Amino acid sequence: DAKTTQPNSMESNEEEPVHLPCNHSTISGTDYIHWYRQLPSQGPEYVIHGLTSNVNNRMASLAIAEDRKSSTLILHRATLRDAAVYYCILRDIQGAQKLVFGQGTRLTINP
Amino acid sequence: DAMVIQNPRYQVTQFGKPVTLSCSQTLNHNVMYWYQQKSSQAPKLLFHYYDKDFNNEADTPDNFQSRRPNTSFCFLDIRSPGLGDAAMYLCATSRTEKMTQYFGPGTRLLVL
Repeated sequence: DAKTTQPNSMESNEEEPVHLPCNHSTISGTDYIHWYRQLPSQGPEYVIHGLTSNVNNRMASLAIAEDRKSSTLILHRATLRDAAVYYCILRDIQGAQKLVFGQGTRLTINP
Repeated sequence: DAMVIQNPRYQVTQFGKPVTLSCSQTLNHNVMYWYQQKSSQAPKLLFHYYDKDFNNEADTPDNFQSRRPNTSFCFLDIRSPGLGDAAMYLCATSRTEKMTQYFGPGTRLLVL
């Protein structure tokens, strides 16, 4: 499985945008970029995914570099409830399709 | 609301005493997964069912077994829990293996 690299932790302030980076330099042409997050004492939850184009949904935006070797999850206006561990995961549209979690980024939101 | 339910949320067992964790879903999804998450670590897939087809991960210890008697329920059996099996156990479901996974809240297992 292609690997992802994320910062161990990030900190931001409430009501400010947050940009969470993910590097995936060995991404293949059939890998989708998925983001899940895990709030304290809960199971992970799906956030967003994309292949080549930038994506938006009600939770976040996903910006994908033109060469697809990196991506950024954008929370437009962070709230205290966004404090979580954010996982960037590559899923091959062919093959086993497993979710292989890396260490993720622990996001702290300051009031 | 359709959801993934795990009971109990906390389970205490004794070293070597078999324990079963339960997961149920109202999503009518074909695939059910079990993950283990140790403290400060990422979730790690143990195995999954696609309908009745069982798929074990290569590095899942033999001590861990699973049963899926019907679409809605899946059980994780730990035959002889050791201290190293203390962890959060997460159940997840998806419509197919390619689609988004929905996780339950987890069962935290403590082994005394």
